[in-house]
Amino acid sequence: QSVLTQPPSASGTPGQRVTISCSGSGSNIGSSYVYWYRQLPGTAPKLLIYRNNQRPSGVPDRFSGSKSGTSASLAISGLRSEDEADYYCGAWDAGLSGHVFGTGTKVTVL
Amino acid sequence: EVQVTETGGGVVQPGGSLRLTCGASGFSVSSNYMSWVRQAPGKGLEWVSIIHSVGRTFYAESVKGRFTISRDSAKNQLYLQMNDLRADDTAVYYCARDLGDFFDQWGHGALVTVSS
Repeated sequence: QSVLTQPPSASGTPGQRVTISCSGSGSNIGSSYVYWYRQLPGTAPKLLIYRNNQRPSGVPDRFSGSKSGTSASLAISGLRSEDEADYYCGAWDAGLSGHVFGTGTKVTVL
Repeated sequence: EVQVTETGGGVVQPGGSLRLTCGASGFSVSSNYMSWVRQAPGKGLEWVSIIHSVGRTFYAESVKGRFTISRDSAKNQLYLQMNDLRADDTAVYYCARDLGDFFDQWGHGALVTVSS
């Protein structure tokens, strides 16, 4: 089961900025790096952000991540139709000795 | 090219066993941390297990005592032996290279269906 809490949905019109929150605890987000994945139906997750705010090569700077205490957030600016997908946060949990994921957020472009 | 590919998925009866294999290319399974992550139909991602480069293994509580992660250095493969399977183990199982604080390579996944 998911240990990190995300809003189930988020939406915006093209060009808008959307922010997704991810809430955890001291044993995961509070003491580990946060990462974010995007997943389209029927495909494997794609890495968007790692180590709180780092973008892999090829990920546009429209995507940005931040972390404060036991919470993190992903911002998508200049929203585009192809941003419609499910988004998951994750982190290592030292108490569980394993990774934990967020509940997932479905982004809809209106 | 760095790549991982899962095989071995299928339909199994409750209480049965199945072994998933993850073949890797472009890197050494034994020199890296490797994880299994699963996703039940219509649900979110769930981390299942990790094997460290030194061989230490860890499991999610939901599979502890039933699943075993292992690897074969010569074949450059990762495995997930799943025993005493239950209906709620039905999921797509992904193999991923685990860099400790994120996964950088994922396979396409293998579907495991537990049903009578």
